[in-house]
Amino acid sequence: AQSVSQHNHHVILSEAASLELGCNYSYGGTVNLFWYVQYPGQHLQLLLKYFSGDPLVKGIKGFEAEFIKSKFSFNLRKPSVQWSDTAEYFCAVNALRYGNKLVFGAGTILRVKS
Amino acid sequence: DVKVTQSSRYLVKRTGEKVFLECVQDMDHENMFWYRQDPGLGLRLIYFSYDVKMKEKGDIPEGYSVSREKKERFSLILESASTNQTSMYLCASSLRTSGGQETQYFGPGTRLLVL
Repeated sequence: AQSVSQHNHHVILSEAASLELGCNYSYGGTVNLFWYVQYPGQHLQLLLKYFSGDPLVKGIKGFEAEFIKSKFSFNLRKPSVQWSDTAEYFCAVNALRYGNKLVFGAGTILRVKS
Repeated sequence: DVKVTQSSRYLVKRTGEKVFLECVQDMDHENMFWYRQDPGLGLRLIYFSYDVKMKEKGDIPEGYSVSREKKERFSLILESASTNQTSMYLCASSLRTSGGQETQYFGPGTRLLVL
């Protein structure tokens, strides 16, 4: 079965700390990869996506993610977090062999202390 | 900008009631999706639709049905609401592309409480 694992359910950081959120998926073949963010009280927004090409993807608000095919991973990073990054982050994977269905991880709640 | 709207932000219903959740997108997207979001479980796909009058079951379709009579509108129906259907419901849409490089855009969600 398809599955997407996010390693941490809750992360607490101080402002200016570096962030890395893990995401692993369980199937091979061609994949499209996404990170979405949900700020408190707001709707789910696309942070960044990978379809092909350079495995290091830049997104909005200083976020980036690296696709490592050999590790089935797509980790999200930010060098210096801000209080406004407090949100829930979801990794999602679409394996083309399964059509255009997205499979989401359980989410990681990030709290940034000011 | 893609806009996906949902008919209600909050809804309270009683067990056994029939519940309709409406979703409208304004970008002429072929694909539309219904998810439910529960703490610690992420988003789980209930149903999706590739085109008008077409529907496909997702991972958790039991207790739900859908309707897509117009391209821009996708309705989720709870035939007889139960307390375990208390959840946040998210609608999404995407443009069909060759090669499967499709990005889903989400509505604001409907928080449903079934008493």
